[in-house]
Amino acid sequence: EMQLVESGGGLVQPGRSLRLSCAASGFTFDDYAIHWVRQPPGRGLEWVSGISWNSGSVGYADSVKGRFTISRDNAKNSLYLQMNSLRAEDMALYYCAKDLGPGGWFYGMDVWGQGTTVTVSS
Amino acid sequence: QSALTQPRSVSGSPGQSVTISCTGTSSDVGGYNYVSWYQHHPGKVPKLMIYDVSKRPSGVPDRFSGSKSGNTASLTISGLQAEDEADYYCCSYAGSYTFGVFGTGTKVTVL
Repeated sequence: EMQLVESGGGLVQPGRSLRLSCAASGFTFDDYAIHWVRQPPGRGLEWVSGISWNSGSVGYADSVKGRFTISRDNAKNSLYLQMNSLRAEDMALYYCAKDLGPGGWFYGMDVWGQGTTVTVSS
Repeated sequence: QSALTQPRSVSGSPGQSVTISCTGTSSDVGGYNYVSWYQHHPGKVPKLMIYDVSKRPSGVPDRFSGSKSGNTASLTISGLQAEDEADYYCCSYAGSYTFGVFGTGTKVTVL
């Protein structure tokens, strides 16, 4: 069974940093692009960042560009999101999601983790 | 990088059809055939319903169909069922600078 499990969320003060992780299993991790998607409380889904299968392409939403860094370790079947200079508006449930197409980019996100919650508050 | 525009809500009776629109620009929806749709029940994980504008993943009922015309994509649910009541989001690739954008979301209510 294909599975993604996020971790690393928690309570953090504004301006501080947090690193999210996403552990993959049940599929050939290094064949697929992976994304981070978030949902702030009471609001809709927002694409945050994505990384291609070989880390050759990475992308960020304007709202996090310059503050967040996505990376992956294919040897460890893991995805990461380093979040710096956190703001109140970054508070959300963060999902990692696998892209549908091997070697592709933005075909669709067919496997999602359960999410990890980031709370930004003093 | 503005969110794609969806109606806030749509509703229909069991058995009826509803259509959700997703309006973007020529830089996202209109420029690529990488539009996907997600069903999201509160408290659950989003589920991919449509990809590449009109393709259904295995296991998704053929009551769900997708299309695109110009800068607007659409999701149609035919033969509406109670379990279809959920939030629905479109998502589009938006090029190698902006990458990806979701829609504002639509709540589907089964009357």
